[in-house]
Amino acid sequence: DQQVKQNSPSLSVQEGRISILNCDYTNSMFDYFLWYKKYPAEGPTFLISISSIKDKNEDGRFTVFLNKSAKHLSLHIVPSQPGDSAVYFCAASFFWTNTGNQFYFGTGTSLTVIP
Amino acid sequence: GAGVSQSPRYKVAKRGQDVALRCDPISGHVSLFWYQQALGQGPEFLTYFQNEAQLDKSGLPSDRFFAERPEGSVSTLKIQRTQQEDSAVYLCASAGTGGNQPQHFGDGTRLSIL
Repeated sequence: DQQVKQNSPSLSVQEGRISILNCDYTNSMFDYFLWYKKYPAEGPTFLISISSIKDKNEDGRFTVFLNKSAKHLSLHIVPSQPGDSAVYFCAASFFWTNTGNQFYFGTGTSLTVIP
Repeated sequence: GAGVSQSPRYKVAKRGQDVALRCDPISGHVSLFWYQQALGQGPEFLTYFQNEAQLDKSGLPSDRFFAERPEGSVSTLKIQRTQQEDSAVYLCASAGTGGNQPQHFGDGTRLSIL
């Protein structure tokens, strides 16, 4: 069963506007959340992360919001740029000291920023 | 290089052949992960190494899949008697020590089984 869900397969936004990508999860034990960006024929590139003890983390144009009660996180990109066009994956994990922290990924949202 | 390196980038094999996929992690990263990504899906966990120890192989889909990391650096994922459903992108990721750490991915190996 899919523990991390991205219900919007695609999103189109005008350049300069805000892009909001959403992600829901089912396992309340997750304590670390990340967003990855992926261009075609390349591996996912780490973008931003947030620990469950926070509800917001900001890095330049990228902000991740975490709502633990709703089991929901979102990525805001503002202002959006054409180079942001890519597939965005959210991921979640819980850290077990003896087995590491495998990531559980959503199915991705393809963002297109229109010039 | 500074990133995770995977080879080959593309591999085509006939059904029933064995294949070996290589991952060279970021220098000094003790944690190494293998993921399988099917078309239109997110990466799915296969197995995890801490140094040379394989601590979790719960995601390997069958006993035809085998991974090793004998010296705690380079890792190889081997698939024996390949089947068409093995066609996917195989991603390797490495991470540093400490608490929650982002995993850094290679560009993957795209495996096609004919």
